[in-house]
Order: sequence, then structure tokens, then C-alpha cells
Amino acid sequence: DIVLTQSPASLAVSLGQRATISCKASQSVDYDGDSYMNWYQQKPGQPPKLLIYAASNLESGIPARFSGSGSGTDFTLNIHPVEEEDAATYYCQQSNEDPLTFGAGTKLELK
Amino acid sequence: EIQLQQSGPELVKPGASVKVSCKASGYSFTDYNMYWVKQSHGKSLEWIGYIDPYNGGTSYNQKFKGKATLTVDKSSSTAFMHLNSLTSEDSAVYYCARGLGRRTWFAYWGQGTLVTVSA
Repeated sequence: DIVLTQSPASLAVSLGQRATISCKASQSVDYDGDSYMNWYQQKPGQPPKLLIYAASNLESGIPARFSGSGSGTDFTLNIHPVEEEDAATYYCQQSNEDPLTFGAGTKLELK
Repeated sequence: EIQLQQSGPELVKPGASVKVSCKASGYSFTDYNMYWVKQSHGKSLEWIGYIDPYNGGTSYNQKFKGKATLTVDKSSSTAFMHLNSLTSEDSAVYYCARGLGRRTWFAYWGQGTLVTVSA
């Protein structure tokens, strides 16, 4: 199984600043020129919400302050500038190989 | 509007089984696979498996083989997940999510069904 290691486990960011979350895969999630890493935001009592798919593609309706980058085994989710509503837990998920796997999550808090 | 509407919370006894439903609307049910994901309290997400509603084909995470069985009723655009021999380890929120083919991502999710296993 592909293990996804997210860091940090939690972070506190001031309004208007940048939040950076890392996700490292135990093996490459690239296939045929694309990287199959996706990012979700989850708030308590709600299902996950897709933010970024295939490493860097912004899902429709998601604010442009969210961005994703990376390839192979190293991926990053950036949020800039952070807003109040961004307080949540963020998960990476790989879909290159079964079983699909998720990272352990990163909890973002606002200072 | 695309919606996945799941059945309500369940309280079941150890050793029993439960069937969770996920009714799809707003799209052609047989055009997309239905995935199921487990989230234990305060924990991350685990992929259970998926079913292709078109032909009933399934794929399971090895961890959930023998625990979960996925089925569909095309006439009502509803997907089902049957969990058997329940233990406290099965207490969790279970989500259905729509996916397309391999190497997919999940833009649409059900609201989640809380299954609590307790005597």
C-alpha cells in the first residue's frame, strides 16, 4: 500500500498569512505524465470537500487562494492568504494505485 | 444538482450486521462508480471499496474483504454497503462518494452515516 505522510500534524497561522502542508508518498503516484494526488478539506460533522485534484488542478468553486504542486512522491498544498473559514483538517489522497489511501491529516488553526 | 443521500445513524449490537444506503440523484447512476470510505472517530479516512453500478463489478481494499459487501439497485439509483460481524472497531462514520474510473477523485460525497456498535 502507498503510505502518505503529512506534515505538520497541526499548524497555527495568522489571518492573511500562508499555510503550507506537505504530503510525501512512499512511492510515486505519477502515471502517464500526471500525478494522482488529491487534496480535501474537512470541517467537523461534514464530509471531506475536494480542493485540488491531480496535484495542481483547482476544483470548480474553490477559491484561488488554494493551490497544489508537486510530482512523484512530494506534494504541497498552499493556502494564501489564509482566511477565517479555512480552519479545518486537510487530507491528501492518492488515487494512482489500489488501495486508495489518505494521509493522516493536518489540522489548521487560526492564531 | 448532484446529491448522495445516505441513510440515518445506526446503533447495532456486537456480532450483528448493518446495511447502509446511498441514494444518488442529479446524474446518470450507472456512469460513475460508487466508493465507500470509513472514518473512525477523530481519525483519518480509509477506502473500503467501490462498485460499478453498470455491471455490479466490485473492488475491495484487502483490509475490508469479508467485512463489507457492496451492492446496487439500479432501479432506485441506490448503492448499499453491508457490514457483517460488527465489533467496536467498526464504529465509525461511513461515507459514499462518487468516482469515475481508475485514478479518480471525489468531488461528491454523501453526508455520512454514523454506525455505533455497542451492547
